[in-house]
Amino acid sequence: DAKTTQPNSMESNEEEPVHLPCNHSTISGTDYIHWYRQLPSQGPEYVIHGLTSNVNNRMASLAIAEDRKSSTLILHRATLRDAAVYYCILRDGSSNTGKLIFGQGTTLQVKP
Amino acid sequence: DTGVSQNPRHKITKRGQNVTFRCDPISEHNRLYWYRQTLGQGPEFLTYFQNEAQLEKSRLLSDRFSAERPKGSFSTLEIQRTEQGDSAMYLCASSHAGNYGYTFGSGTRLTVV
Repeated sequence: DAKTTQPNSMESNEEEPVHLPCNHSTISGTDYIHWYRQLPSQGPEYVIHGLTSNVNNRMASLAIAEDRKSSTLILHRATLRDAAVYYCILRDGSSNTGKLIFGQGTTLQVKP
Repeated sequence: DTGVSQNPRHKITKRGQNVTFRCDPISEHNRLYWYRQTLGQGPEFLTYFQNEAQLEKSRLLSDRFSAERPKGSFSTLEIQRTEQGDSAMYLCASSHAGNYGYTFGSGTRLTVV
């Protein structure tokens, strides 16, 4: 399974943008880049995913490098409720199972 | 639809007892996954169902673990002869086939004493 590398932790101030990086240098052509987040005592929550082009939704934006070896999750205005563990995951689009393999993720702290 | 529902939310059991957890996925989702998560770690894949067929099992799923999804609707995960090392959060997720996001439940926290 392709792996991703994320910083262990990051801090942000409330109301400011947050850029969460992810490296995936061994990504294959069929791998989709997925992001999930997990708040304390809850199951993970889907945030966004993409293949080659940048993606936007109501929660966040996903910027994918041209060579696809890295990506950045962008939270446009961090709130205290965005404090969570953020997971960057490669999901094999050609796989029959589509299972997600989670790493350690990035723990985001948001300061008021 | 209220999302993925897991019951119970918490379970405390004595070592050696059997436990069973239930997951009710989003009704139109044909894919269902079970994960296990221990403190400070990301979720670990356990098993996958497409409709009623169990198509993949992780090596983590020892012979004490069994999962079913009769009729392709709800699923159960049973652990026999529980051990202290089984203490964890057990998460269920469902999705459509294809490259869609998963919806996770809130999990069942198991404590084996």
